[in-house]
Amino acid sequence: QVQLQESGPGLVKPSQTLSLTCSVSGGSISSRPYFWSWIRQPAGKGLEWIGRIYTSGSTNYNPSLQSRVTMSIDKSENQFSLKLSSVTAADTAVYYCARDPSSYFHYYGMDVWGQGTTVTVSS
Amino acid sequence: QSVLTQPPSVSAAPRQKVTISCSGSSSNIGNNFVSWYQQLPGTAPKLLIYETNNRPSGIPDRFSGSKSGTSATLAITGLQTGDEADYYCGTWDSRLSAEVFGGGTKLTVL
Repeated sequence: QVQLQESGPGLVKPSQTLSLTCSVSGGSISSRPYFWSWIRQPAGKGLEWIGRIYTSGSTNYNPSLQSRVTMSIDKSENQFSLKLSSVTAADTAVYYCARDPSSYFHYYGMDVWGQGTTVTVSS
Repeated sequence: QSVLTQPPSVSAAPRQKVTISCSGSSSNIGNNFVSWYQQLPGTAPKLLIYETNNRPSGIPDRFSGSKSGTSATLAITGLQTGDEADYYCGTWDSRLSAEVFGGGTKLTVL
């Protein structure tokens, strides 16, 4: 049973870079091709997709965040990461990582989610 | 403003049926499968429906999904108080090259 766990600072100062890691347990991140995704949810609001990284390392980002987002994957550590630069208070949210069995030609949906981690942007 | 449109809230009595709609366009729902997620208070979303009308293992058959044109629907029968949650639809938008979600629907079981 694959499980995901987000980790990273809970408090980030404005204009700095938010960095989060999602650790994969119960299976190898490269056992078969998956997308590994990041989603966020401001308090009391809906879900916002941040982007995804394929097992091969190719990425897709939300167009509204693309200029500030970088995702990477570390197969040796069985984890993937998110960096969001130049953060403001509007980036305060619960950040989730998730697994997506979709392919480039077949949408599936995100079948395994981490529990989420709260990130607050404040000085 | 979400790309996919859901009603903010729906309600029904226990043991009744409720449907939640999700409206999109030809670049998303019209040409891709749809997923549905249940988010209980204070928890992470959980996949309820994938590929428009398939249930992951462990999801009861009280939950079903369908699609017609550029709209999708989640139906829940035999409502239980434990079904009170926020429900989100999601799909891939080919024009945006991005995953998109609905704004979420809060289900109240009266």
